[in-house]
Amino acid sequence: EAQVTQNPRYLITVTGKKLTVTCSQNMNHEYMSWYRQDPGLGLRQIYYSMNVEVTDKGDVPEGYKVSRKEKRNFPLILESPSPNQTSLYFCASSLSSDRASTDTQYFGPGTRLTVL
Amino acid sequence: QKEVEQDPGPLSVPEGAIVSLNCTYSNSAFQYFMWYRQYSRKGPELLMYTYSSGNKEDGRFTAQVDKSSKYISLFIRDSQPSDSATYLCAMSDNNAGNMLTFGGGTRLMVKP
Repeated sequence: EAQVTQNPRYLITVTGKKLTVTCSQNMNHEYMSWYRQDPGLGLRQIYYSMNVEVTDKGDVPEGYKVSRKEKRNFPLILESPSPNQTSLYFCASSLSSDRASTDTQYFGPGTRLTVL
Repeated sequence: QKEVEQDPGPLSVPEGAIVSLNCTYSNSAFQYFMWYRQYSRKGPELLMYTYSSGNKEDGRFTAQVDKSSKYISLFIRDSQPSDSATYLCAMSDNNAGNMLTFGGGTRLMVKP
């Protein structure tokens, strides 16, 4: 089954404790992206990747890191989480980086993160 | 002021009604306009996209873009309870997937 998986789905942590949210897609997609969703603010892009070893900042990259060492995986790293990073996080992928805005982006199920 | 404004709702309509969902924006460089649907506890899914101004129809859904007014709309005809979801507009000045700007979403409830 074609899908985007994220782990963990729920995470409660404390300020300053490094964490990684994994994202994996099995569709051989070029483009992958991370978003955070906060009430009333819609989705805001954190980082995106056009292909292996090619990543770039989105709208709200501060406090986050990503890597794309393999085509299928795009982990999101919070080196020192803070309470303002409490949010719902979505990973997404689409087939072609050239048409990533208008191609169907397949979203993962979301990770609800709480930073105390 | 946010770059993309969308009434959060909730918008409650009876089954069979015509629904109109709207977004306004301020960045005149936006050329690609998308509508996403998000069911509760799920990720968003792309419904439709439009390039530049004009209309696009897909089944019961019609997307309209008026660039002169910086206003986009999604119409749903013969609305069904299964259309109950949050609808997010999104827009970009390019098709490369970067800097996709989303509205806050409108929650729609279609009552049987």
